[in-house]
Amino acid sequence: GENVEQHPSTLSVQEGDSAVIKCTYSDSASNYFPWYKQELGKRPQLIIDIRSNVGEKKDQRIAVTLNKTAKHFSLHITETQPEDSAVYFCAAGPALYNTDKLIFGTGTRLQVFP
Amino acid sequence: SQTIHQWPATLVQPVGSPLSLECTVEGTSNPNLYWYRQAAGRGLQLLFYSVGIGQISSEVPQNLSASRPQDRQFILSSKKLLLSDSGFYLCAWSGDGGNQPQHFGDGTRLSIL
Repeated sequence: GENVEQHPSTLSVQEGDSAVIKCTYSDSASNYFPWYKQELGKRPQLIIDIRSNVGEKKDQRIAVTLNKTAKHFSLHITETQPEDSAVYFCAAGPALYNTDKLIFGTGTRLQVFP
Repeated sequence: SQTIHQWPATLVQPVGSPLSLECTVEGTSNPNLYWYRQAAGRGLQLLFYSVGIGQISSEVPQNLSASRPQDRQFILSSKKLLLSDSGFYLCAWSGDGGNQPQHFGDGTRLSIL
């Protein structure tokens, strides 16, 4: 079935540095790729998403890139701040056999040190 | 605008007791609805999803069940809770069809004693 791999599982950066989280997916039919941020004890919140007709999308300090040929997509956070510390999840959809599901990665715990 | 409500926020239950978690969505019609479980420090495990009233798909075998008695209401139940049912339960909704973001409720932290 569809699989989404996410790396790294943990990432520590100094405030002001950039952070990159990478995901690969197995289903070539996937064409929607959202990213979620989950702070401790809170719900996951959508921070950015990209569709397969776009290679890159930016929103202030956050950007997502997509390489459909290689079946991978990445989240880039520039000028990191302590409040960026959270767990980030990538996802891919729709699943090959079901258009209503997203397949989530296993998450990356980002720590930004002041 | 659309909102999703999930309750209770926290719940402590003894082993063997029943469970009922409720989720409602406002501001949209015919949403897709989802129940996820998240163990401490882990990822999101999809338990159930529903594309319409009375239509429930189960993702993993377990002692939990789900029901959708109304278009914007999704209920997670158990007749007898197990210790392994402890976790953070999240309800989510998305628009009808593919390529739609899922929006999560605030979650229920369930502890089984």
